[in-house]
Amino acid sequence: GDSVTQMEGPVTLSEEAFLTINCTYTATGYPSLFWYVQYPGEGLQLLLKATKADDKGSNKGFEATYRKETTSFHLEKGSVQVSDSAVYFCALNYGGSQGNLIFGKGTKLSVKP
Amino acid sequence: EAGVAQSPRYKIIEKRQSVAFWCNPISGHATLYWYQQILGQGPKLLIQFQNNGVVDDSQLPKDRFSAERLKGVDSTLKIQPAKLEDSAVYLCASSPGVGYTFGSGTRLTVV
Repeated sequence: GDSVTQMEGPVTLSEEAFLTINCTYTATGYPSLFWYVQYPGEGLQLLLKATKADDKGSNKGFEATYRKETTSFHLEKGSVQVSDSAVYFCALNYGGSQGNLIFGKGTKLSVKP
Repeated sequence: EAGVAQSPRYKIIEKRQSVAFWCNPISGHATLYWYQQILGQGPKLLIQFQNNGVVDDSQLPKDRFSAERLKGVDSTLKIQPAKLEDSAVYLCASSPGVGYTFGSGTRLTVV
């Protein structure tokens, strides 16, 4: 079945460091890919998405490119801030922004000042 | 606009007891989802409603879990009887058809 695999956490970085969180997927078709963020005590929020191969999603300085050849959707940010500390989830679904989301296990990011 | 409301925020029960969670989606959102998020794992879909009809409940443990969405608005998720492995955060999400908005969740601890 379809699945999402994320790098194990937690990830601890200093402020202004470069961030990469790896995400790979297994899918029977051509899914849409998402990154969600969960701040402490809050619900999941959509960070960015890509709906087809080679699409790049971006938001708040975060970027991820849909790589069909490597079945990957790695999250990157050039300079992290303390406020970026959260849990990040990679997810996929079929049908764009509707239908069941299949999530990875999440990666906790802590950014130190 | 108001977000997805869930209650209670926290619940502690003993195994074999019953518990119910409530979700009030964003007004006008036809689709409603319940996800289970066990500690250290990503959320997993339990059930999806379209208005007041069930679209997908293939991963709902129907021997103990039940859910309903009366009049296509609010929804309740019930567990009876609860097991230790049901300890998790239960997330509700709603959608107008495209996109999702998640609630803050109900954290259930079964002791």
